[in-house]
Amino acid sequence: GAVVSQHPSWVICKSGTSVKIECRSLDFQATTMFWYRQFPKQSLMLMATSNEGSKATYEQGVEKDKFLINHASLTLSTLTVTSAHPEDSSFYICSARDIYVNTEAFFGQGTRLTVV
Amino acid sequence: SQQGEEDPQALSIQEGENATMNCSYKTSINNLQWYRQNSGRGLVHLILIRSNEREKHSGRLRVTLDTSKKSSSLLITASRAADTASYFCATDTSGNTPLVFGKGTRLSVIA
Repeated sequence: GAVVSQHPSWVICKSGTSVKIECRSLDFQATTMFWYRQFPKQSLMLMATSNEGSKATYEQGVEKDKFLINHASLTLSTLTVTSAHPEDSSFYICSARDIYVNTEAFFGQGTRLTVV
Repeated sequence: SQQGEEDPQALSIQEGENATMNCSYKTSINNLQWYRQNSGRGLVHLILIRSNEREKHSGRLRVTLDTSKKSSSLLITASRAADTASYFCATDTSGNTPLVFGKGTRLSVIA
């Protein structure tokens, strides 16, 4: 099956710094990628939809200036958490779909972000 | 926004028993998928059922879909301790839309 690679798998950063998370589709072209956030013992909440070559669409309540999304190529989307604070500590997961094949969505391994 | 609701929220059973989890959703769907997530880990895709399908099997898994009731169920037969995890249903409205996840069921299988 298709593979989505997410990096890093975990990161610890100081409050006020920025963290970049990468999501790559390894064997298919993903014109659309999705970013989710998951707090402990909760479900995955969609943060934004990332379209190649255009601005991301953010869900209500998600600050676009804080969570910068770039989707410059068909195989790479990045999420940058700017000026991170402890409340941003969470599990971030990306997902990609091959729009030409109506199959499952493929998920990255997730990134555990801890802001201290 | 959260579309799906799973019940029960938590389920504890003995090894060898069957586990049934239910999922309800609110709008018309394209596909419904079930995922497993071990604590602190990524998602494992279990099964996809299309809106025109009613039942699907994969190993010890059986998924049903009732679009008239906007609900789905996941049955795990002959459960094992290794099945202990959270289980989520997720729906989409077309092939390029995001999956919307339910709240999940935390399954504990006691050896």
